[in-house]
Amino acid sequence: QKEVEQDPGPLSVPEGAIVSLNCTYSNSAFQYFMWYRQYSRKGPELLMYTYSSGNKEDGRFTAQVDKSSKYISLFIRDSQPSDSATYLCAMTAYTGGFKTIFGAGTRLFVKA
Amino acid sequence: EAGVVQSPRYKIIEKKQPVAFWCNPISGHNTLYWYLQNLGQGPELLIRYENEEAVDDSQLPKDRFSAERLKGVDSTLKIQPAELGDSAVYLCASSLDSGSDTQYFGPGTRLTVL
Repeated sequence: QKEVEQDPGPLSVPEGAIVSLNCTYSNSAFQYFMWYRQYSRKGPELLMYTYSSGNKEDGRFTAQVDKSSKYISLFIRDSQPSDSATYLCAMTAYTGGFKTIFGAGTRLFVKA
Repeated sequence: EAGVVQSPRYKIIEKKQPVAFWCNPISGHNTLYWYLQNLGQGPELLIRYENEEAVDDSQLPKDRFSAERLKGVDSTLKIQPAELGDSAVYLCASSLDSGSDTQYFGPGTRLTVL
C-alpha cells in the first residue's frame, strides 16, 4: 500500500462546477499538506499549503485537512477551463527525518 | 524573481549513453531537490541537498546515477550508462531551507532513452 493514495481520474466537469479532489494517507507522522497544480509539460506549482486540521481558503480554492481520518481535499469553486491540469497532493513528515511524499495526481478537465 | 532553471528541456539518447541534467535554483535557496517523475505518477525524490551537502540520497541508484552541487548553487545530475527504464521527466526544485515546505519546481527535463 502506498503512503499517499490519490485517484488518478481523469475527472471531467463543466465550466462553473465545484470540483472536489481528494487524497488519503496512512502515515500519521505527516504534518504539512500541500496541493500542487501541474500543467502539461510544466513543473508542479504550489497552490495551497496547510498545517493543521480544518479549512484554508484562497480565492476559488479551499484546502481541507482531516487528520483523524487521514484525508485531505481540495475544492475548486466556479471551475474554469484554465483549471484543466493535474493536481498533486503532497505531504511532509519530520519525524525520523524530513520526508515529502507526492500523490500520483488527478487529471482534471474543465469543459467550456 | 527568476524561477528554477533547468536544461536541457528535452533529451533523446540511446541506451548505454551518458546524460547530464543541469539545474540553477532560485537565488538564496539553500535546499535543492532532484525528483524523478514517471508518466501518470507524482514526483519521487532522488536526492536532496542542503547547500553543498547531500543530506538524503537514499533513493538515488548509485550504480548509475550521480549528482553534485558545487559551491552550493547549481547542481548537475548524471546518468551513466542510461537504461530504457530511465525514460522520465527529471525535475529540480528548490526551497529556502528544508524547514520550508514551499518547494519551487523547474520545468523539468524530459529524457527519452531509445
